[in-house]
Amino acid sequence: VQVLESGGGLVQPGGSLRLSCAASGFRSDIYAMSWVRQAPGKGLEWVSAISGGGDNTYYADSVKGRFTVSRDNSRNTLYLQMTSLRAEDTAVYYCVKENIVAVGQINWFDPWGQGTLVTVSS
Amino acid sequence: SYELTQPPSVSVSPGQTASVTCSGDKLGDKFASWYRQKPGQSPVLVIYQDRKRPSGIPERFSGSNSGNTATLTISGTQATDEADYYCQAWDSSTASYVFGTGTKVTVL
Repeated sequence: VQVLESGGGLVQPGGSLRLSCAASGFRSDIYAMSWVRQAPGKGLEWVSAISGGGDNTYYADSVKGRFTVSRDNSRNTLYLQMTSLRAEDTAVYYCVKENIVAVGQINWFDPWGQGTLVTVSS
Repeated sequence: SYELTQPPSVSVSPGQTASVTCSGDKLGDKFASWYRQKPGQSPVLVIYQDRKRPSGIPERFSGSNSGNTATLTISGTQATDEADYYCQAWDSSTASYVFGTGTKVTVL
């Protein structure tokens, strides 16, 4: 069971970027998945979650209205479309698998990907 | 918004017991998970649903959750346990996951 992120890079403030997460070793449609980020030298911050079927999405207040999570289960791939990027969005973004199809109370994150670095700077 | 508070640091001697607390309003009514993150590495799940250990996690890691506090206990602490530890829970009122502030465990 593995998840592998890609798509990070340097982007100017106000710009956009799309992250991808390729899942392998499990049927992605029966597991919710999340994005978690970590700013340099800081703690973990949950960003967004999506149910296994993709019909329910959730966002942290800090990214609501700017980020969109989606998934293509036919490709076993999770996405995070980021727009109106700010300096404070600079972080390593991790893709994580949850333990059941729905997002919520009884869930945990395992495994984590290696992360992809997003730097927002002019 | 819901907050989970952890002590910034915990120090422990090799072979002794380290306890890392995570405090939040009525946290005992929720499930808590714990993650270990070593420098330069991705986080790893060490405890889920308050007290369950994933396969591959040593028995010296245990967890509890009651009232307003969840606790991660490392018994017989080893130098390899030195890392940052984060708790995590689900806040149903905001439909969001929350992480604790993180605790650096130092094995002296």
